[in-house]
Amino acid sequence: EVQLVESGGGLVRPGGSLRLSCKVSGFAFSDYIMNWVRQAPGKGLEWVSSISPDSNYISQADSVKGRFTISRDNARNSLYLFLDDVRGDDTAVYYCVRVGGSATYILDHWGQGTLVTVSS
Amino acid sequence: AIQMTQSPSSLSASVGDRVTITCRASQVIDRDLSWYQQKPGKAPKLLIYGSSILQSGVPSTFSGSGSGTDFTLTITSLQAEDFATYYCLQSFDYPLSFGGGTRVEVK
Repeated sequence: EVQLVESGGGLVRPGGSLRLSCKVSGFAFSDYIMNWVRQAPGKGLEWVSSISPDSNYISQADSVKGRFTISRDNARNSLYLFLDDVRGDDTAVYYCVRVGGSATYILDHWGQGTLVTVSS
Repeated sequence: AIQMTQSPSSLSASVGDRVTITCRASQVIDRDLSWYQQKPGKAPKLLIYGSSILQSGVPSTFSGSGSGTDFTLTITSLQAEDFATYYCLQSFDYPLSFGGGTRVEVK
């Protein structure tokens, strides 16, 4: 069974930093592109960042460029998102998401999410 | 960046109704469009990918169509468990972009 379990969310002050983790199981993690997607309270979904299986290709939303860093450790079956210089509009549930499909880019498995609250 | 315009933002319907949700891309995205269902407090769930391919386990009351810039999600006979929020996603190019969502509510 495919499982993605996020952790590391919590309360952080504006300008602070936080590292989110996603531990996966049930599939060959090192073969898959992974993403972070977030959702502010009561709002829609926003793609945050993507990383290739070998970490050689990374893409990010403009809203987080220069502040957030995606990384992965294939030996530990783990995906990470380092949030730096956070702002109020970074408050959201952050989802770890697998990209499935060989010919089609689809977000086929999602974690349960971890809540990040930015507040003083 | 590709903008995805989803409509309507909300709709009211009854069990058994036919429901149609549309997404329009700001540029051609071929068929690189998927649809997701989200219920309150839960992670989104993949329904349809490649514009019209039903994900395994998704009821056949759901269907998708379109290519280029205009796409449609149709629920042919709304069931009680289908009341939720629906999102489209373009994966033609980075940055990936979601539509704003459509909340399907009980009439």
